[in-house]
Amino acid sequence: AQSVAQPEDQVNVAEGNPLTVKCTYSVSGNPYLFWYVQYPNRGLQFLLKYITGDNLVKGSYGFEAEFNKSQTSFHLKKPSALVSDSALYFCAVRDTGSSYKLIFGSGTRLLVRP
Amino acid sequence: KAGVTQTPRYLIKTRGQQVTLSCSPISGHRSVSWYQQTPGQGLQFLFEYFSETQRNKGNFPGRFSGRQFSNSRSEMNVSTLELGDSALYLCASSETGVGYTFGSGTRLTVV
Repeated sequence: AQSVAQPEDQVNVAEGNPLTVKCTYSVSGNPYLFWYVQYPNRGLQFLLKYITGDNLVKGSYGFEAEFNKSQTSFHLKKPSALVSDSALYFCAVRDTGSSYKLIFGSGTRLLVRP
Repeated sequence: KAGVTQTPRYLIKTRGQQVTLSCSPISGHRSVSWYQQTPGQGLQFLFEYFSETQRNKGNFPGRFSGRQFSNSRSEMNVSTLELGDSALYLCASSETGVGYTFGSGTRLTVV
């Protein structure tokens, strides 16, 4: 069965420092991977995706992610964190088969302190 | 393009009642998926509709149902509400399954 793991419930980082939010996946076949961000009482905002091609994916708001097939990871990164980046981050993989079902990780709360 | 519109934004219902939530996808998107988000269970897939057909269903009781209309708008219905149904319900629309746009959600509170 397809699955996504986000091993950290919370990541704390100082403003201006680099940040990493971890994600590992388990799928059969080639994965379609996504990162979303959620602010309080809001829906999910798309950050970036990996479908195929270059392993380093650049997304919105200065975020990027590196697809690593051998380690089955898709970690989210940003070179310099902002206080406004504080939010809940979700990694997701599209399920195999014909439907467009997304399987989400449990989420990681990012707290950027001034 | 207009985004994904979910109505209503907030809803308070009493146990035992039923509720209907609505989702209007981005124009041209034929796929609409529904997710339930709770603090304890995270984001869980409810069902996906594509061109009025349910293509996939999550592990939820039969009290949860949905449908999609010819204009791709979708509704989900929960009958005989329980306290545990309190959640943020999110819908997502997709054109090809390589990009998903989520609505702002409907916050359902069951009292």
